[in-house]
Amino acid sequence: DAMVIQNPRYQVTQFGKPVTLSCSQTLNHNVMYWYQQKSSQAPKLLFHYYDKDFNNEADTPDNFQSRRPNTSFCFLDIRSPGLGDAAMYLCATSRDGGSSPLHFGNGTRLTVT
Amino acid sequence: GENVEQHPSTLSVQEGDSAVIKCTYSDSASNYFPWYKQELGKRPQLIIDIRSNVGEKKDQRIAVTLNKTAKHFSLHITETQPEDSAVYFCAANTNAGKSTFGDGTTLTVKP
Repeated sequence: DAMVIQNPRYQVTQFGKPVTLSCSQTLNHNVMYWYQQKSSQAPKLLFHYYDKDFNNEADTPDNFQSRRPNTSFCFLDIRSPGLGDAAMYLCATSRDGGSSPLHFGNGTRLTVT
Repeated sequence: GENVEQHPSTLSVQEGDSAVIKCTYSDSASNYFPWYKQELGKRPQLIIDIRSNVGEKKDQRIAVTLNKTAKHFSLHITETQPEDSAVYFCAANTNAGKSTFGDGTTLTVKP
């Protein structure tokens, strides 16, 4: 089945220790997104790639970086996680943005100790 | 940028009753309006969507209406069932490809 896969499902990291979350897709979609979702809140867009074009949200902290080495993979790097970065991180894809729905992965729940 | 407001934040209905969730948006350039259902501990999943050239769309017990002039759209669920209990998010998309989400509605269907 074509899908969006996130690894790992659960990630524990120490305060200040860099962590990388990964996402892959078999849908061959052009657009990949990273969202942060905290409990009982709406997903908050961090950034997205349209093909190789990177789009950063104005309020995304510099602590968060992303890489998309090819169509299928996208990574979220948190350089120095703080306690406030504990959240569910959702990767999503869409065929071409605009009038295409988002297809979400199952998310990675990040805990910062 | 786009701003999406969603009401109510919580909604409790009796099984078999109808549920209505309403959203308003600010950017007249928005032209695609998806609705996502997120069950506890799971990912959001698309349940229905509507494009700006359509006023209403229905899929079994779920319907969405869009009023472009007033910039609001609504989700209607009829004959609610306990498995409809979840958080529902509306969203508005522009051609730039970004989805702006509402804050969500927690729907509880009591058996």
